[in-house]
Amino acid sequence: EAQVTQNPRYLITVTGKKLTVTCSQNMNHEYMSWYRQDPGLGLRQIYYSMNVEVTDKGDVPEGYKVSRKEKRNFPLILESPSPNQTSLYFCASSLLPAASTDTQYFGPGTRLTVL
Amino acid sequence: AQSVTQPDIHITVSEGASLELRCNYSYGATPYLFWYVQSPGQGLQLLLKYFSGDTLVQGIKGFEAEFKRSQSSFNLRKPSVHWSDAAEYFCAAFGEYGNKLVFGAGTILRVKS
Repeated sequence: EAQVTQNPRYLITVTGKKLTVTCSQNMNHEYMSWYRQDPGLGLRQIYYSMNVEVTDKGDVPEGYKVSRKEKRNFPLILESPSPNQTSLYFCASSLLPAASTDTQYFGPGTRLTVL
Repeated sequence: AQSVTQPDIHITVSEGASLELRCNYSYGATPYLFWYVQSPGQGLQLLLKYFSGDTLVQGIKGFEAEFKRSQSSFNLRKPSVHWSDAAEYFCAAFGEYGNKLVFGAGTILRVKS
């Protein structure tokens, strides 16, 4: 089954404790992206990657890191989480690097709470 | 700046009634436009998309959307709403700058029986 998976689905942590949210897709997609969803703000892009070893900032990259060492995986790293990073996070992927005419497929989401 | 606006935060309709969710975009050129639905606790599912051509686009689950260039709008419609349509709906646009989707704030649809 074609899908985007994220782990963990739920995470409660404390300020400053490094964490990683994994994202994996089994569709051989070039393009992957991370979004955060906050009430009243919709989804905002954090980082995206157009291919292996190619990553770029989205609208709200501060406090986040990503890596793309393999095509299928695109982990989101919070080196020192803060309470304002409490949010619902979505990973997405699409076949084409430009991600313009292609459909983006979304993972199920990771709900992160930083105390 | 590129933006997508969904003017209605919440909408409540009766089951069987028609539905229209509004979406306006602000772009220099016509962007690619999308509607996604998010059911509670779920990820986002694409309902339909518009790139060019026929301005009335058919999607899944009986939804359709009409692109109106003169109004910079891409409103989502359904002739008869079912209780299972209760969800949050997002309009999104892929524009001329950057390599990303820009989302509206979302509209929460409630369906009353």
